[in-house]
Amino acid sequence: DAGVIQSPRHEVTEMGQEVTLRCKPISGHNSLFWYRQTMMRGLELLIYFNNNVPIDDSGMPEDRFSAKMPNASFSTLKIQPSEPRDSAVYFCASSLGFSHNQPQHFGDGTRLSIL
Amino acid sequence: GENVGLHLPTLSVQEGDNSIINCAYSNSASDYFIWYKQESGKGPQFIIDIRSNMDKRQGQRVTVLLNKTVKHLSLQIAATQPGDSAVYFCAEPSPGSARQLTFGSGTQLTVLP
Repeated sequence: DAGVIQSPRHEVTEMGQEVTLRCKPISGHNSLFWYRQTMMRGLELLIYFNNNVPIDDSGMPEDRFSAKMPNASFSTLKIQPSEPRDSAVYFCASSLGFSHNQPQHFGDGTRLSIL
Repeated sequence: GENVGLHLPTLSVQEGDNSIINCAYSNSASDYFIWYKQESGKGPQFIIDIRSNMDKRQGQRVTVLLNKTVKHLSLQIAATQPGDSAVYFCAEPSPGSARQLTFGSGTQLTVLP
């Protein structure tokens, strides 16, 4: 079965540029999560959706970050403008159902480097 | 806030030996725990989960033990193999959140030949 698919796998860009990360959740999963992972802070939840609706975006660092889920099979995380401190690995995860008693399944992430 | 922490940041074991990775949690109300494995360059991979009404759950070569009295969780890997080398995270539901998980800082497991 196809897992969570993220693109691109790597992104290197200059500060000030717009960055768009993409995610395709597992088919049939109705919850989707965006995380950021750094050595200093570990895994941080940025935002999550249930049935394409954003539920909690309190983890989004600032207004430069935005996320959308236009349909059940696609989500984007956008950073505009990007800054060097945004450099991290960004993961998307999905799960079946909204109860926390369902494991989240992660993609292999996008490694983002802002120069 | 409350968080999940790990006793040991690194663990080295000989191939074929059993591995035990520990995790302490602070939220006594947590009713669900998950172990993830993260290999270099990959996302966290679900290994096994356990609900708080259980003390033990077994999977393929892995066993998770839950001691609610001392708020301790462990992951046991039998006959550790080189492919088990990875960072292992425990996770629990974040307090007051219906869906958010709080992840521990992780333990790096290295399997020696």
